[in-house]
Amino acid sequence: DGGITQSPKYLFRKEGQNVTLSCEQNLNHDAMYWYRQDPGQGLRLIYYSQIVNDFQKGDIAEGYSVSREKKESFPLTVTSAQKNPTAFYLCASSIVTSSYEQYFGPGTRLTVT
Amino acid sequence: AQSVTQPDIHITVSEGASLELRCNYSYGATPYLFWYVQSPGQGLQLLLKYFSGDTLVQGIKGFEAEFKRSQSSFNLRKPSVHWSDAAEYFCAVGEEGSYIPTFGRGTSLIVHP
Repeated sequence: DGGITQSPKYLFRKEGQNVTLSCEQNLNHDAMYWYRQDPGQGLRLIYYSQIVNDFQKGDIAEGYSVSREKKESFPLTVTSAQKNPTAFYLCASSIVTSSYEQYFGPGTRLTVT
Repeated sequence: AQSVTQPDIHITVSEGASLELRCNYSYGATPYLFWYVQSPGQGLQLLLKYFSGDTLVQGIKGFEAEFKRSQSSFNLRKPSVHWSDAAEYFCAVGEEGSYIPTFGRGTSLIVHP
């Protein structure tokens, strides 16, 4: 079955540590996205990538970094510079040239204490 | 830039009752419109989308939405709600040439037995 996988489902880290969230898709989609979700705030775009080896900052990129070395993979690193990293993180993908609809992974809940 | 407003943070309905979730958007041209559903702790799933043509759009799980240009609205409806419909619902709008949609803050649907 085609889809998007995110791992792990739950992640716990100590403050000051960097942590990397995994996102893999086998939909052959060109574009991939990372969103952060906090209660009552909807989805906020962190980073997005249209093609391999290229990515752009979204609305809340500070304290985060990404890479896109393969079409299938778009890992997100939450750095120690992110002031409030505890949140639910969603990865998505889409076909760039049509439809605009996004396909979402199941999410990773990150808790930093 | 486009914007999306979901004026209701929470909606409570009884099982079997009809449902309407409101969505208003701000965008000059014809937008691309979406409704997504999110169960607790899960990713988002596309319910339906509107790009052009018939302004009444049918989606999955018995949902439909109507695009009303004069009111800048794209309200989601269901004639008879089931307990399993309890979830968070997100309206999103995209514009031609940009494959990154803007999401509303979501409406939480509570279903009473």
